[in-house]
Amino acid sequence: AQSVTQLGSHVSVSEGALVLLRCNYSSSVPPYLFWYVQYPNQGLQLLLKYTSAATLVKGINGFEAEFKKSETSFHLTKPSAHMSDAAEYFCAVGSGGSYIPTFGRGTSLIVHP
Amino acid sequence: SQTIHQWPATLVQPVGSPLSLECTVEGTSNPNLYWYRQAAGRGLQLLFYSVGIGQISSEVPQNLSASRPQDRQFILSSKKLLLSDSGFYLCAYDVGNEKLFFGSGTQLSVL
Repeated sequence: AQSVTQLGSHVSVSEGALVLLRCNYSSSVPPYLFWYVQYPNQGLQLLLKYTSAATLVKGINGFEAEFKKSETSFHLTKPSAHMSDAAEYFCAVGSGGSYIPTFGRGTSLIVHP
Repeated sequence: SQTIHQWPATLVQPVGSPLSLECTVEGTSNPNLYWYRQAAGRGLQLLFYSVGIGQISSEVPQNLSASRPQDRQFILSSKKLLLSDSGFYLCAYDVGNEKLFFGSGTQLSVL
């Protein structure tokens, strides 16, 4: 069984500030981990994915995430927030032969000017 | 290039009416296809997935059904909509590389 917990349904930051969106996972086998972003009234698009090649994964739009096995975490960060980063962010985990990902409940990122 | 089309973008239906949402994929063959529902504050719920024509797996028992009449066509249906069927419905596909591509979604309001 696999599951994902995203801490905080809403995160609010000022433009230029560090963005940190938290994700913890549970998986009985080595996981595949993903972050997706959803802009208003749109589908999701992949930001980045971890598949065991490297623990620090760089994605699009300046985002990156670090896989920490000891903490079962895959937090998403960006050094400096832009107004255009305001969106819903979903963490997802897939594992083993059933890589169909399980999604977290999402975190809404709000960026203040 | 690969693309996914989903329609309609918005739909308002009365309780008890039927539903048909359509999703098509272009630029690839034999994709895995998915229907998700997104309710406010509840994340993404996998409803159905399909690994081939006529092969449908249901994740959650409900008032909905899915069909895959052609390789790149995935249809979500209901005979009689309930208020609780309201939500944002997303179609997605993958080609076996662990990456999902999503359609633009359908906002369904059942009144």
